[in-house]
Amino acid sequence: QVQLVQSGSELKKPGASVKVSCKASGYSFNDYAVNWVRQAPGQGLEWMGWINTNTGDPTYAQGLTGRFVFSLDTSVSTAYLEISSLKAEDTAMYFCARENYYAGSGYDDYWGQGTLVTVSS
Amino acid sequence: DIQMTQSPSSLSASVGDRVTITCRASQSIFTSLNWYQQKPGKAPQVLIYAASTLQSGVPSRFSGSGSGTDFTLTISSLQPEDSATYYCQQTFRTLISFGQGTRLEIK
Repeated sequence: QVQLVQSGSELKKPGASVKVSCKASGYSFNDYAVNWVRQAPGQGLEWMGWINTNTGDPTYAQGLTGRFVFSLDTSVSTAYLEISSLKAEDTAMYFCARENYYAGSGYDDYWGQGTLVTVSS
Repeated sequence: DIQMTQSPSSLSASVGDRVTITCRASQSIFTSLNWYQQKPGKAPQVLIYAASTLQSGVPSRFSGSGSGTDFTLTISSLQPEDSATYYCQQTFRTLISFGQGTRLEIK
């Protein structure tokens, strides 16, 4: 069955970096893009961007700074989100999701369980 | 960017009620509109995609309609397990966006 399994919770100090992984199984990894979605505590869903699993090309949401980087390791069917120079406002749950398509439009049909990143001194 | 506005932000309804949540896009997105349900501490789950297509396994009491800029999610007969936050999402443009969410409480 299709699964996206994310790495565990992280507690980091301001200024540090973190790398969140999203391991896919149960389907051909290269056939579907991966979206990243952020949810700050008590807030709504914020789309961060997506990565093309064929080319590795990322697309970032407007306003997302260069501190956020999407990458892949296709040999292990895994997508990564790396955040550098962490700030307190980066504290959030981070989700990856598989993007499926119907009639030319995308939708996220499978989601990872989420990774909580907490930034605190 | 395309802005998505949901209404209401929250609502309270009784079991068996018919519930409607609306989502408006700042420009036409044709039918590139999805609906998600999120329960506390869980990842979102897709309910409806392409405005009106029911995701496999989702109860038939959920339905979606609309095109262009105005969309609706309807729950025909509210059940206790439908207590959740609901989000619309547009995927018309490469830069995807979500509505701010509608919190649904069961009376």
